[in-house]
Amino acid sequence: NAGVTQTPKFQVLKTGQSMTLQCAQDMNHEYMSWYRQDPGMGLRLIHYSVGAGITDQGEVPNGYNVSRSTTEDFPLRLLSAAPSQTSVYFCASRGAAGGSSYNEQFFGPGTRLTVL
Amino acid sequence: ELKVEQNPLFLSMQEGKNYTIYCNYSTTSDRLYWYRQDPGKSLESLFVLLSNGAVKQEGRLMASLDTKARLSTLHITAAVHDLSATYFCAVNQAGTALIFGKGTTLSVSS
Repeated sequence: NAGVTQTPKFQVLKTGQSMTLQCAQDMNHEYMSWYRQDPGMGLRLIHYSVGAGITDQGEVPNGYNVSRSTTEDFPLRLLSAAPSQTSVYFCASRGAAGGSSYNEQFFGPGTRLTVL
Repeated sequence: ELKVEQNPLFLSMQEGKNYTIYCNYSTTSDRLYWYRQDPGKSLESLFVLLSNGAVKQEGRLMASLDTKARLSTLHITAAVHDLSATYFCAVNQAGTALIFGKGTTLSVSS
C-alpha cells in the first residue's frame, strides 16, 4: 500500500491563480480530511468527507473547495490564491466506523504552498 | 464547537528530567490521539486512547485519558534528545474529523 499520497510536494503561486492539490489513498478509507498547518496554529481542519459524494466544511473553509467523486481521491481546490493561503497542507484518511482501521488516522507527506 | 487546548506550547527540558504535557477538550468525544511531528515532516501517530482511564506507554512516553475531566496527559520520563519534536493532541469530532491542539514544541538539551 502506498498509504496517503499528495501532489505536488511544493508549489509557488501568484495571487489570483487557481490550483488543485491532489490527495489519494489506497486503503479504501471512507473518511478523508484536509488540514492546513501554520506556525503556532497547529493543524486546522479545512474540509472533510465521510464518503464518496459527501463533503462538509471544517474550521477554515473559506477560499477552498473540495469534491469526492471516488473513495480514493479527495482534491482540494484553491479558486483564487491569496498570500494568506501560504501554508503546509496535509491530507488524512481513516476507515469507516466499526472497521479495524477506524481508530487510526493516516497522514500524507504534505504540500508546501507559497502564494506571492 | 469542539475546542482543544494544549499546554505548555513550548517546553525546554534537560535530559533525564520528567515532564507532562496537558490536553483539554471542550465537548464529549469517543477517542483522543497523540501525534509527533519532526521539523519538515508529516505527523506520526503515537497513541490512540479510546476509553476513560485508558493508559498507553511506548518507551519514555505514557499517555492517559480522563473523559470525565476531558483531559489527556502525555508524560515524558527521563527525557532524551531524540524526543525533541512537536507533539499534538487531537480529538475526534462526532466521528467525522479530528480537531487538533496547537501543539507543544519540546526541546531536550544535555
